[in-house]
Amino acid sequence: EIVMTQSPATLSVSPGERAILSCRASHSVRSNLAWYQQKPGQAPRLLISGASTRATSIPARFSGSGSGTEFTLTITSLQSEDFAVYYCQQYNNWPLTFGPGTKVDLK
Amino acid sequence: QVQLVQSGAEVKKPGSSVRVSCEASGDSFSNSAVSWVRQAPGQGLEWMGRVIPSLDIAHFAPNFRGRVTITADKSTTTAYMVLSSLKSEDTAVYYCARDQGRDDMVLFDYWGQGTLVTVSS
Repeated sequence: EIVMTQSPATLSVSPGERAILSCRASHSVRSNLAWYQQKPGQAPRLLISGASTRATSIPARFSGSGSGTEFTLTITSLQSEDFAVYYCQQYNNWPLTFGPGTKVDLK
Repeated sequence: QVQLVQSGAEVKKPGSSVRVSCEASGDSFSNSAVSWVRQAPGQGLEWMGRVIPSLDIAHFAPNFRGRVTITADKSTTTAYMVLSSLKSEDTAVYYCARDQGRDDMVLFDYWGQGTLVTVSS
């Protein structure tokens, strides 16, 4: 099983600032990585697939990069609606696995 | 637009089973698959398994193999998840989530609203 780790666990950011979230895989997952955003009481929402392709209707301030074992989600100019928990998920190997999440909260 | 609507909250005794349904609208199930993902209180996401309705093929995470059954009814575009031998640790919100049916690209573009299953004596 591929183990996904994320850092930091919590990221405190002020509105308008940039947030950089990291995701690491225990083995290479090539570019088969997705990012999701989850707000309290809601289901996750797909942000990024293929490590760097934004999903439909996702604003351009969200960008993903990386391949292999190291990945990054960058949120430029954080908006109030971006405070949430972000998860990465690998789909290169069965079973599918998620990272533990990074909570982006208000500084 | 695809919508996934799940059945309501459940309270179950340890050792019993629970069935959660997920009805899809705007999707015929002909080119998609449905997974079940759970989230314990305050915790992260855990993938349980997936069914491809058009092929009646299912995959399961090792942690759940033998204890979870995932099926789909193409005629009603409804997927089902049955989890048996429930323990208190199974208390969680259970989500259904759709992918586009490709085994090399299992990521979730639509999610149900979640079903809280509480296991308590």
